[in-house]
Amino acid sequence: DTAVSQTPKYLVTQMGNDKSIKCEQNLGHDTMYWYKQDSKKFLKIMFSYNNKELIINETVPNRFSPKSPDKAHLNLHINSLELGDSAVYFCASSPLAGGNEQFFGPGTRLTVL
Amino acid sequence: GQSLEQPSEVTAVEGAIVQINCTYQTSGFYGLSWYQQHDGGAPTFLSYNALDGLEETGRFSSFLSRSDSYGYLLLQELQMKDSASYFCAVLQTGANNLFFGTGTRLTVIP
Repeated sequence: DTAVSQTPKYLVTQMGNDKSIKCEQNLGHDTMYWYKQDSKKFLKIMFSYNNKELIINETVPNRFSPKSPDKAHLNLHINSLELGDSAVYFCASSPLAGGNEQFFGPGTRLTVL
Repeated sequence: GQSLEQPSEVTAVEGAIVQINCTYQTSGFYGLSWYQQHDGGAPTFLSYNALDGLEETGRFSSFLSRSDSYGYLLLQELQMKDSASYFCAVLQTGANNLFFGTGTRLTVIP
């Protein structure tokens, strides 16, 4: 059984488009995260939700909007995609906020042309 | 702010021992985690140190010295499958997330 799943795994799109990435965890965790990993493999936190409530919102363009319909799901919507948005986006979860052990999804490789 | 420094690349021979260092600067330090990431894969948790000393988990051990703001990951009896990137990550007090280092790419050669 997959613990943290993301769809799609690959996303290729044109500049200016709007796209969404979905994430689900079946671990019963309270906290979920979105990370961006750039081409140099730097892993940076974008957002964190604890029990459907936003607790971390790093300096991310407001074109990025997370949404958590319930504590098992955290989706990421991106408007007006730019070339610089190309990266791998990872969803993760942990039992509690600020967990040192986080469980990552397989990642979504976004390519903006 | 916070910063973590790791070597960008390390190469070691199969069967040998390798140590990957991590120095950090952060306010309100709570603990240091280590993650492994294979090419094309997701980061996976390896270990966590909140107190000074060595934590051992099979072939992998992790060490922390809070007074030196320093930690390391020790991999013993290296196997080819250990070739991956290794990230240290800081958990800050009062923060709700991990801050990751830039990662060390380990290449194990025959």
